[in-house]
Amino acid sequence: AQKITQTQPGMFVQEKEAVTLDCTYDTSDQSYGLFWYKQPSSGEMIFLIYQGSYDEQNATEGRYSLNFQKARKSANLVISASQLGDSAMYFCAMVANAGGTSYGKLTFGQGTILTVHP
Amino acid sequence: EAQVTQNPRYLITVTGKKLTVTCSQNMNHEYMSWYRQDPGLGLRQIYYSMNVEVTDKGDVPEGYKVSRKEKRNFPLILESPSPNQTSLYFCASSPRQGDNWQETQYFGPGTRLLVL
Repeated sequence: AQKITQTQPGMFVQEKEAVTLDCTYDTSDQSYGLFWYKQPSSGEMIFLIYQGSYDEQNATEGRYSLNFQKARKSANLVISASQLGDSAMYFCAMVANAGGTSYGKLTFGQGTILTVHP
Repeated sequence: EAQVTQNPRYLITVTGKKLTVTCSQNMNHEYMSWYRQDPGLGLRQIYYSMNVEVTDKGDVPEGYKVSRKEKRNFPLILESPSPNQTSLYFCASSPRQGDNWQETQYFGPGTRLLVL
């Protein structure tokens, strides 16, 4: 079974500064994918970034980058130059081969609420 | 516009009154699933479907039913809702079963359900 742990219930950051949101995962599968989603107060789930377990380079998407450390089973999200609109809940999630039944279930962490101060 | 739609977006009901939350996608996706979101627990999968007439239980299926008679629709049925089913519900879809992990799931806007 897969497990995602986000140990930071809440984080605060000053506008224009960088912030790192922590995510550790646990799986026995060799092939898996890691995702980060943003959920603003309006409730929708917004896909931010993806990292594959065999990807050698850390994923980047604009101001978002994923610090992937496979040996430590961590997949931290780094947001550079924070903006007020970044205030939201952030979820780390993974999908794995699940023993051959690769049906694509996402396993989510508990989430981290990020607040950006002006 | 590619999207997943859910209806209703908000629902207040009473214990035991059957309800259905509809989900529809216009992207011809094979894989669809339902999640519920609860504080401190993140999102948990309720049911999923790999294609028409193929459904299976996720992590928290008790008290829910689903059907997949058409590729684009995947309704969630609560036969006898209880207060512990008060939650935020998301429908999601993706193009294939998951061999290509980068095919992220597309989420609907969510349905906030309150069971009194």
